[in-house]
Amino acid sequence: GEDVEQSLFLSVREGDSSVINCTYTDSSSTYLYWYKQEPGAGLQLLTYIFSNMDMKQDQRLTVLLNKKDKHLSLRIADTQTGDSAIYFCAERADSWGKLQFGAGTQVVVTP
Amino acid sequence: DSGVTQTPKHLITATGQRVTLRCSPRSGDLSVYWYQQSLDQGLQFLIQYYNGEERAKGNILERFSAQQFPDLHSELNLSSLELGDSALYFCASSESSYNEQFFGPGTRLTVL
Repeated sequence: GEDVEQSLFLSVREGDSSVINCTYTDSSSTYLYWYKQEPGAGLQLLTYIFSNMDMKQDQRLTVLLNKKDKHLSLRIADTQTGDSAIYFCAERADSWGKLQFGAGTQVVVTP
Repeated sequence: DSGVTQTPKHLITATGQRVTLRCSPRSGDLSVYWYQQSLDQGLQFLIQYYNGEERAKGNILERFSAQQFPDLHSELNLSSLELGDSALYFCASSESSYNEQFFGPGTRLTVL
């Protein structure tokens, strides 16, 4: 069945770059998403990438997609303490838009 | 603020009871999705509605049902509640099935 996998934890120092990795299994996925969840809050859409793209940049965020390896990554440049959160990778799993989520990566930013 | 609203924010109830969770999508969005977030299962898709019609079903229990009304708000009904139903329930909306989904703040359900 469908499965999206992410590493569970990442610790990064303030000012460094963070890279969060994700692998997905459904090669027919058309869109892949990154969401951010802060404690006690809902999911905030950060960015997404269409499957015919290799890279997408949006301010401090860079998304890289390797379709051959079914690998997606999110790079956060100049990581700040406000970036501490859980980051979810998700793939669009069917034509009706159902999202299949990974387990989330907890990012902790230390001063 | 995503523009998606959910009420109530918190709900505490007892086993065997029935509750209704409410979601108002962003203005102009026709599609509503419900997800459940629990510690053991993570984020799971439950059900989707588009312009009042059910379009897709995921891992939704038979004790759970949902509907989308003519004004496009949606309700998720959970009955015969069990301890294991304790979770965060999120609603998301999108303009259509092809657009990105925006999530509400969630309803935290605690079943005692």
